[in-house]
Amino acid sequence: DAKTTQPTSMDCAEGRAANLPCNHSTISGNEYVYWYRQIHSQGPQYIIHGLKNNETNEMASLIITEDRKSSTLILPHATLRDTAVYYCIVRVLTNTGNQFYFGTGTSLTVIP
Amino acid sequence: DSGVTQTPKHLITATGQRVTLRCSPRSGDLSVYWYQQSLDQGLQFLIQYYNGEERAKGNILERFSAQQFPDLHSELNLSSLELGDSALYFCASSVEAGRTEAFFGQGTRLTVV
Repeated sequence: DAKTTQPTSMDCAEGRAANLPCNHSTISGNEYVYWYRQIHSQGPQYIIHGLKNNETNEMASLIITEDRKSSTLILPHATLRDTAVYYCIVRVLTNTGNQFYFGTGTSLTVIP
Repeated sequence: DSGVTQTPKHLITATGQRVTLRCSPRSGDLSVYWYQQSLDQGLQFLIQYYNGEERAKGNILERFSAQQFPDLHSELNLSSLELGDSALYFCASSVEAGRTEAFFGQGTRLTVV
């Protein structure tokens, strides 16, 4: 059911920026892109979301391409605590409600 | 702490049994979601409630059911349990059923033996 494609795994050096890509080529005009992360079987944690424009909050930045077919989550200064599985999600809108479809995510390992 | 409370944290039961998982959403949140995460299938959306009414259904088995009560807490009932039902079950809540972020609880780990 997932409509996103992410690399299976990535490494990033501590203190460097982590850039996590996501493809969502079939996204429709009213669907948002959300990013969550999950640290070792804990509950997923919301990071950021966006529709068209780039977004930034205290955790990360979200860059969405102009055609909206892909996006990149940027963790500006990765720390060891950022090691987690990162999920890129397209929010599906239906007549009866909204649902999150999680893909397989990207396992990010921050290396000391 | 997300503000979403799930009980129990761990549950071990035998095949064929029935269990109830409980979720208390964040204060003010009207929408509750249930997800199942097993080792081989990742996070699967099961069902969503909004202010007491079922809003969306995902990959929920007929042996599973859920409800949201007037005080907005929700319960997920799993019956005729099978070994394959062993998984982490997460509850999430959001203010509304629309385009807002959802906050997840820490999950209930169900082991069926």
